[in-house]
Amino acid sequence: DGGITQSPKYLFRKEGQNVTLSCEQNLNHDAMYWYRQDPGQGLRLIYYSQIVNDFQKGDIAEGYSVSREKKESFPLTVTSAQKNPTAFYLCASSFAVGGGTEAFFGQGTRLTVV
Amino acid sequence: KQEVTQIPAALSVPEGENLVLNCSFTDSAIYNLQWFRQDPGKGLTSLLLIQSSQREQTSGRLNASLDKSSGRSTLYIAASQPGDSATYLCAVSPHRMNAGNMLTFGGGTRLMVKP
Repeated sequence: DGGITQSPKYLFRKEGQNVTLSCEQNLNHDAMYWYRQDPGQGLRLIYYSQIVNDFQKGDIAEGYSVSREKKESFPLTVTSAQKNPTAFYLCASSFAVGGGTEAFFGQGTRLTVV
Repeated sequence: KQEVTQIPAALSVPEGENLVLNCSFTDSAIYNLQWFRQDPGKGLTSLLLIQSSQREQTSGRLNASLDKSSGRSTLYIAASQPGDSATYLCAVSPHRMNAGNMLTFGGGTRLMVKP
């Protein structure tokens, strides 16, 4: 089945730790995105990548880092510099770099600071 | 900066009613508008995608319209069912170079359909 797989579903982070969220897609999409969702709020863009080995900051990139070494994979690292990381993280992908195509989302990773 | 607003924030209706969810955006220079459904604790499921050149899209009991010049979209749900209970999100993508399909989301409408 084609789709986007995020892992793990739940993740717990201790103070001062870096953690990495996985996102894999087998839809042959060029572009991939990371969004953050806080309770009662809409999604906000963290980073996006339109092609392998290239990525751009979104609206709330501080305290996060990404890599795009393979077309299928776009991992997100939440660093210790992110002061309020508890949130629901969603990965998405789409065709085309010029917009105008449908975005598909994974099932999300819920990150909690303990 | 693009801002997307959804009204109402929450809606409770009896089963069988037809209902309308509203979405407005401040910058009409969009490439497309997409409606999503989100169940509690889950990811987003794409419902309908409307290109900026289109006026509406239909899928089953769902119909979405787009008036780009006035910055508005509506999602019409016919004959609502308890299984329609979820949060509905609208999102727009910008019409500019190298923007990809990055989306700006509204805050969502939480819908409850009572049996």
